Amino acid sequence: SAVISQKPSRDICQRGTSLTIQCQVDSQVTMMFWYRQQPGQSLTLIATANQGSEATYESGFVIDKFPISRPNLTFSTLTVSNMSPEDSSIYLCSVAGTSKETQYFGPGTRLLVL
Amino acid sequence: AQSVTQLGSHVSVSEGALVLLRCNYSSSVPPYLFWYVQYPNQGLQLLLKYTSAATLVKGINGFEAEFKKSETSFHLTKPSAHMSDAAEYFCAVSDNDYKLSFGAGTTVTVRA
Repeated sequence: SAVISQKPSRDICQRGTSLTIQCQVDSQVTMMFWYRQQPGQSLTLIATANQGSEATYESGFVIDKFPISRPNLTFSTLTVSNMSPEDSSIYLCSVAGTSKETQYFGPGTRLLVL
Repeated sequence: AQSVTQLGSHVSVSEGALVLLRCNYSSSVPPYLFWYVQYPNQGLQLLLKYTSAATLVKGINGFEAEFKKSETSFHLTKPSAHMSDAAEYFCAVSDNDYKLSFGAGTTVTVRA
C-alpha cells in the first residue's frame, strides 16, 4: 500500500483563523478523500479531492468552509477556514489506487481550536 | 445509500478469549465491506476487506470476517485476544461510488 503523510500532525489554533493541512502520497493514486473524526465519534466523509478540478463535497460540507486543492496525483490540501471550537477534530486523508474500492488512510491531523 | 451498524460500542475480553465484533450493513447493490483498526493517537489501518470473492476473509493480526448476505452481516472475529488488540475498530461499507460509510466504532479492551 501507499505511504501517506500529513502535515501538520497536530495544531492548536485560535478561533477565526484558518489552517491548511497537507496530504502527500509516495505514489500516484487514483482517488483522494478527506474525512473528519470529531471527538469520540466515527469518520465522516468531507469531500472527494479531484485532480485538476473542484472537489466534490458531501452533504453538510461546503467549499467556503473547507476549500480543497489537488494539483497532481500525489498531493492534496484541505483548509479549515474561519475556525470555531466545533472544528476541533481529527482530519484524515485517504487514498485509493488501482483497487479503487480500497482506501488507505494517513496518520491524521489533530486540530484543537480555542 | 449504504449504511453500517456496529452492535456494541464497547467490548471487553480476557486475554486469550474470543473476540467478536458485530457489523450489519445495508446497501442497494453488492457492497464492498471493510474493517479498520485505530490505535490510540494513530490513523486507521486496514484489517481486511470483502470485495465479492471468498465470503470468509482473513486479515492481518489473526483477524477474520465472514460475509453473510442473507444476514447482511460482516462480523469480525479473532480466536484468541492479545493485549495489543486493544483499540477501536470500525466497520465500513462502500458501493460503486467508492465512498466509505463508517459505523460508530467499537472499543475493545483486553483484560489480563
